[in-house]
Amino acid sequence: GESVGLHLPTLSVQEGDNSIINCAYSNSASDYFIWYKQESGKGPQFIIDIRSNMDKRQGQRVTVLLNKTVKHLSLQIAATQPGDSAVYFCAVIAGAGSYQLTFGKGTKLSVIP
Amino acid sequence: GAVVSQHPSRVICKSGTSVKIECRSLDFQATTMFWYRQFPKKSLMLMATSNEGSKATYEQGVEKDKFLINHASLTLSTLTVTSAHPEDSSFYICSAKRESSSYNEQFFGPGTRLTVL
Repeated sequence: GESVGLHLPTLSVQEGDNSIINCAYSNSASDYFIWYKQESGKGPQFIIDIRSNMDKRQGQRVTVLLNKTVKHLSLQIAATQPGDSAVYFCAVIAGAGSYQLTFGKGTKLSVIP
Repeated sequence: GAVVSQHPSRVICKSGTSVKIECRSLDFQATTMFWYRQFPKKSLMLMATSNEGSKATYEQGVEKDKFLINHASLTLSTLTVTSAHPEDSSFYICSAKRESSSYNEQFFGPGTRLTVL
């Protein structure tokens, strides 16, 4: 089965600095990758996604990088703001035709004003 | 945008009672919805996949008689925690896959905090 992990459980960054959150996955057939942000007491909020046929995708202040060779995914947040403080999860879908998400353990990002 | 609601947002019940949690897709149809459970400072664990008009598919280790799922319409799935016990206290989150989506778009509800006394 799929196992998804994160390299660090917590990350503290200074406001204005860039943040990098990492994720490793185990199933080489994984097809679709998503980053979610979860604030305390709320449901996950979609941030950005990437398919396995891409290695980089950019959004507003966020970039996702996918390295299929080492099965590694990262989320980069530029100019981190206090509102970015939350827990970030990567999630993986195993393959085409599957809709089931497997979530990583989560990284708590704390932004220091 | 695609909005998913859950009701109630919080519920406190006595041990032995049953609690029903609703998950609604407000502005889209969802043949497939998912129920997750999340313990404090932990990740989301998929409990079951809810399919409109058919039986839910439960993940290994999830008791189907304990967690009853009904997906009676394209916009509503319900999770009933039967004979609740304190160990069932958790944050329950649903997600809905938009029917018109060509890919794996899932939209999450805000979650329901269940506390069993």
